[in-house]
Amino acid sequence: DVKVTQSSRYLVKRTGEKVFLECVQDMDHENMFWYRQDPGLGLRLIYFSYDVKMKEKGDIPEGYSVSREKKERFSLILESASTNQTSMYLCASSFARSITEAFFGQGTRLTVV
Amino acid sequence: EDKVVQSPLSLVVHEGDTVTLNCSYEVTNFRSLLWYKQEKKAPTFLFMLTSSGIEKKSGRLSSILDKKELFSILNITATQTGDSAIYLCAGTNAGKSTFGDGTTLTVKP
Repeated sequence: DVKVTQSSRYLVKRTGEKVFLECVQDMDHENMFWYRQDPGLGLRLIYFSYDVKMKEKGDIPEGYSVSREKKERFSLILESASTNQTSMYLCASSFARSITEAFFGQGTRLTVV
Repeated sequence: EDKVVQSPLSLVVHEGDTVTLNCSYEVTNFRSLLWYKQEKKAPTFLFMLTSSGIEKKSGRLSSILDKKELFSILNITATQTGDSAIYLCAGTNAGKSTFGDGTTLTVKP
């Protein structure tokens, strides 16, 4: 079974803090994605990566950055957390340039106070 | 900009009812349409559709794609309380998916 693991289920951070959300997959997938999910807004793509050390902006990259130093790990960084970044964050992975499904992690519910 | 629209946004039915969920898409270089079910945690995969007019079935769930009219439907027959979830559809191109807002289905006993 494919496993996508996010480092935290719940996280509470203060405004202005630097926040790291980690995601690891064990299926040697080339593609990795970070989404945020908010009620009524569905899943919105923040950043994605097709390969190590490569990244592309999704639909809402402002206020975020990413890092992919190893194939299995994709980190989402909130440089200076703000209250409007309170959300559910979902990491996903899939095979390269494929049309098959993405496999999701269990999500991290981040609250910024 | 790629766009996926789902309707209705929410639906409340009783056990045994049949429901139809809709998904329309505008995705550049479209490759496939994916349906997911999300309960309290991560979305789980239901169907992948790449060809028009070919129905995919899994138990009481079925789905079909119309590439000419750019939409897909997900049917659930004889609904059960365990079908209560958010149903997401996504259009993909070269590995990147654009998701709709989801349809929240509530099945009452």
